[in-house]
Amino acid sequence: GIQVEQSPPDLILQEGANSTLRCNFSDSVNNLQWFHQNPWGQLINLFYIPSGTKQNGRLSATTVATERYSLLYISSSQTTDSGVYFCAARGDSGAGSYQLTFGKGTKLSVIP
Amino acid sequence: EAGVAQSPRYKIIEKRQSVAFWCNPISGHATLYWYQQILGQGPKLLIQFQNNGVVDDSQLPKDRFSAERLKGVDSTLKIQPAKLEDSAVYLCASSLGGVRGGRELFFGEGSRLTVL
Repeated sequence: GIQVEQSPPDLILQEGANSTLRCNFSDSVNNLQWFHQNPWGQLINLFYIPSGTKQNGRLSATTVATERYSLLYISSSQTTDSGVYFCAARGDSGAGSYQLTFGKGTKLSVIP
Repeated sequence: EAGVAQSPRYKIIEKRQSVAFWCNPISGHATLYWYQQILGQGPKLLIQFQNNGVVDDSQLPKDRFSAERLKGVDSTLKIQPAKLEDSAVYLCASSLGGVRGGRELFFGEGSRLTVL
């Protein structure tokens, strides 16, 4: 099945700083999503972005499907942005292609 | 629009006991998923339903885990007997679209299981 790798695993930011989280995937995809897992454990949808660029407030994401990576940008970070960010992808072919496979996540800590 | 509903939110049991989790997907969503998330890891798919049929249960430990989706709406995930390593958050998700369609998944709040 598809492999999903996220970097960095941990990130500490000063409030107000910008950051870029990366997600690499091993196969062509028909689904790619970014989630934020809040301290209570719920996965909050950020972007559904199998290709292209989207923006939502201080967050934006870009997926370059031909090069098999996606980036999540956080600008002017706030303490409420803290948590774990997951990338998840569903491969377009081959075994396990029904599954939305998650990376191990990036744990973001924003300090005042 | 109501989101994915799950219950119970928390459950503590002793090993070898049984437990059941319930999920009600977003109205109209044909595909339902159960994921297991162990502390510090990303969610792992246990089982995926399309309407009331199973399309992927390759990572479901079938000797102790079972799941059903009667009438293609609500779903129940059961663990019997539980082991210590089953301590995790059990996440239910749903999406519109077909099995291989590129459709956005929406998750419930999860059910946190502790096995003592």
